[in-house]
Amino acid sequence: NAGVTQTPKFRILKIGQSMTLQCTQDMNHNYMYWYRQDPGMGLKLIYYSVGAGITDKGEVPNGYNVSRSTTEDFPLRLELAAPSQTSVYFCASSYVEGVNEQFFGPGTRLTVL
Amino acid sequence: AQSVTQPDIHITVSEGASLELRCNYSYGATPYLFWYVQSPGQGLQLLLKYFSGDTLVQGIKGFEAEFKRSQSSFNLRKPSVHWSDAAEYFCAVGPAKAGGTSYGKLTFGQGTILTVHP
Repeated sequence: NAGVTQTPKFRILKIGQSMTLQCTQDMNHNYMYWYRQDPGMGLKLIYYSVGAGITDKGEVPNGYNVSRSTTEDFPLRLELAAPSQTSVYFCASSYVEGVNEQFFGPGTRLTVL
Repeated sequence: AQSVTQPDIHITVSEGASLELRCNYSYGATPYLFWYVQSPGQGLQLLLKYFSGDTLVQGIKGFEAEFKRSQSSFNLRKPSVHWSDAAEYFCAVGPAKAGGTSYGKLTFGQGTILTVHP
């Protein structure tokens, strides 16, 4: 049971490039979330998904896209990278039933130059 | 709208000293409160959570937190800090149940960085 895994751990992009941050969970969780973490700002929700085929915007969705074709995977896509997207990105997941508790991946540190 | 405030951006304590990290929240319904810890270069690990019942909750690594509804606070405490406690700590608030229209979404505070001096 690996929990929530994210790849890559680190990445440097040039302005205008695109990339996909991968997130996979093996806990059969329905809910999945993408956050970005900036110094002194805490975690901000980018997108979330309540199940395969269902996604919705969070607090800071501009410049990002997501898809959820399976229960396990929830990739985050940056189409035209900008310096403002330099951040640490965390994926999380939780059960749909019972108490609310999110499990986090180790994060991806992205730098856009 | 829900919000979480952690008034202290950075706290420094000596090893063996006691610790209290402050957290104030604003939430329209019955809150579910969390403290997470993030060690350098790592993801977030849940320390403890409060939903209902006893207002003093125990967590991992010797941490505890007290829910005070009248003060809208959920402060984290530890009687004796160890050097390995140096990390960033996040308070979060969300719905009690994962289901429903809130979809389990959490709101996080800005974080408090803890430095421990030997």
